[in-house]
Amino acid sequence: EVQLLESGGGLVQPGGSLRLSCAASGFTFSKHAMIWVRQAPGKGLERVSGIGSAGTTNYADSVKGRFTISRDNSKNTLYLQMNSLTVEDTAVYYCAKKVEGKGKHFDYWGQGTLVTVSS
Amino acid sequence: QSVLTQPPSMSGAPGQSVTITCAGSSSNIGAGFDVHWYQHLPGTAPKVLVFANNNRPSGVPDRFSGSKSDTSASLAITGLQAEDEADYYCQSFDSSLSRSVFGGGTKLTVL
Repeated sequence: EVQLLESGGGLVQPGGSLRLSCAASGFTFSKHAMIWVRQAPGKGLERVSGIGSAGTTNYADSVKGRFTISRDNSKNTLYLQMNSLTVEDTAVYYCAKKVEGKGKHFDYWGQGTLVTVSS
Repeated sequence: QSVLTQPPSMSGAPGQSVTITCAGSSSNIGAGFDVHWYQHLPGTAPKVLVFANNNRPSGVPDRFSGSKSDTSASLAITGLQAEDEADYYCQSFDSSLSRSVFGGGTKLTVL
């Protein structure tokens, strides 16, 4: 059974940092692209960052230069290092697994972890 | 501003049908890339409703169906039920951005 379990969320002050983790199981993690998606209060889903199976990365303009996505295939874990956090980064953060192949969908999603940026 | 455009909200009475649209461009849907649809209840994991334009994962009722034409796609929901009240998102791939892109989401209210 495929499982994605996010952790690392919490309350942080503006300007602070957090590292989110997404522990994956039930599939060959190294073969799949992964993404982080967030939902701010009252807003829709926003694609934050993605990482391919080969390690190529991309970021939304809103987080470029502040967030870093990475993966440790030996630990079957996806990470999102978030620095210089602002109140606009307050959201539930989800990780998701992509089906192999260009243009495919994200077939499994985690339950999300809440990040609250507030003083 | 999302790359894929959806109506922010729609509504329908139980038993009725609704169709949610997803407008793209020549660099995504119009380039032939598949469209996928997700259902999301805030606070829960998003769920795939339709993948590759018109395919349903096992367990998704046939009340949900997808279609694609030119630079847009649609998700049709027939026989609306109270449990269908949720947010719906389309997703495709954009060749100019070289990454997957999402619509802004449509909040469906079952009256």
